[in-house]
This record gives sequence, C-alpha cells and structure tokens, in this order.
Amino acid sequence: KAGVTQTPRYLIKTRGQQVTLSCSPISGHRSVSWYQQTPGQGLQFLFEYFSETQRNKGNFPGRFSGRQFSNSRSEMNVSTLELGDSALYLCASSLAGVPPGTDTQYFGPGTRLTVL
Amino acid sequence: DQQVKQNSPSLSVQEGRISILNCDYTNSMFDYFLWYKKYPAEGPTFLISISSIKDKNEDGRFTVFLNKSAKHLSLHIVPSQPGDSAVYFCAASLSGGYQKVTFGTGTKLQVIP
Repeated sequence: KAGVTQTPRYLIKTRGQQVTLSCSPISGHRSVSWYQQTPGQGLQFLFEYFSETQRNKGNFPGRFSGRQFSNSRSEMNVSTLELGDSALYLCASSLAGVPPGTDTQYFGPGTRLTVL
Repeated sequence: DQQVKQNSPSLSVQEGRISILNCDYTNSMFDYFLWYKKYPAEGPTFLISISSIKDKNEDGRFTVFLNKSAKHLSLHIVPSQPGDSAVYFCAASLSGGYQKVTFGTGTKLQVIP
C-alpha cells in the first residue's frame, strides 16, 4: 500500500507570494491533517479535513487555508507569504474511525518551504 | 501556550542501555497519548500509544508509562540500538477531538555504539 505523498518536496518563494501544497493520503483514509514544523516549536496543528469538510482548525492566521477533494486528496494554500512561514509542512492521513482523535496518523515526508 | 512539553531537547545513551524520554502536559482533558519517531527527511512514524485508562503499554522494546496525577508520560526503550537514533515526539489528543493532536517540541535521541 502506497504511503502518504506530498508534492512538491521543496519550494522556494519570496515574501508576498502565495503557495499551494498538495497531499495524497493512503488509499482508504478519509481524514487529512496538516502540520507546520519549525525548529523549537515542534509540530503545530494547522487543520484537519474529513469528507471534504474542515472539522478542526489550529491557531493560524487566515492566510493559511486548505481544502479536500472527493478523492480525499488535500491541498493547503498560504497567501501573502512571510519570512516566518519558512517551515516543513507535514500532511498526515488516518482512517478517522471511532473514536476520533485516537486514530493513528500516517505522515508524509513533508514539503520544505523556504521564504526569501 | 505549549500544552505538551518535552523539556530535554537531546539525549545520548550507550547502545544496550535504557533510553528514557519524558513528556509533560498541562491539559487534564487529554485522554490519549502517542509517541512518534522522526528520521531526517522523513515524516514522523507512529511508535506507541496509551489511553488514559491505562498506566502502561508495552510493545517489544518500547514501553510508555502514564502518570495522570503528575500529568507526565515517559517512553522507555530497552535495549537501545543505534537505529533508534531519531527525534521523538510526544503527542496528546482528546478522543473527541477529531484528530486535533497536540505535539511536543521533540527530543533528539542519539544512541552511541
């Protein structure tokens, strides 16, 4: 079974630009979560999607948005990039069975975003 | 507000000895806890979990202990192997939290051959 894939793996952007990152979950997984990893901050939860609906959102500004398609693939978008947005963005998928919150999440390798 | 804290950013252990990684949390509502391991250039991989109704869960060389009164959990690796060298993340969630998992900042474990 193929794992979680994320594209692109590396991105370099400049301040003010916008970026779209893509995540393909494991086949059959319906929940997709996004995290930002920065040195010293660990993994910060961005949002989680299930069946094309955002079920939960972390404490990030509105410049960070996402969506999920009917095939469970997900994209996240960051508009008006700032230097502080430089980070590793990780996507994780899970079956989202019962009880929620206890499913094992399977992570992709991440997209390394550098903002200059 | 860091609700899940890993106060040791790094740990070095000799091969064959025990590695103990610690984690503290502040939100008493958390009822499910997980440990993930992360190698460079890879995403985190699930290691072991524990529900708040238990105080210990064991899987091979890995054991997680939960002390709810102290809001503390620990991961024991016995015996430690060089391949265990990685960053370990502690995480916590609410069983009704729809995958909103809160992670610690990680502890980098180095197992010295």
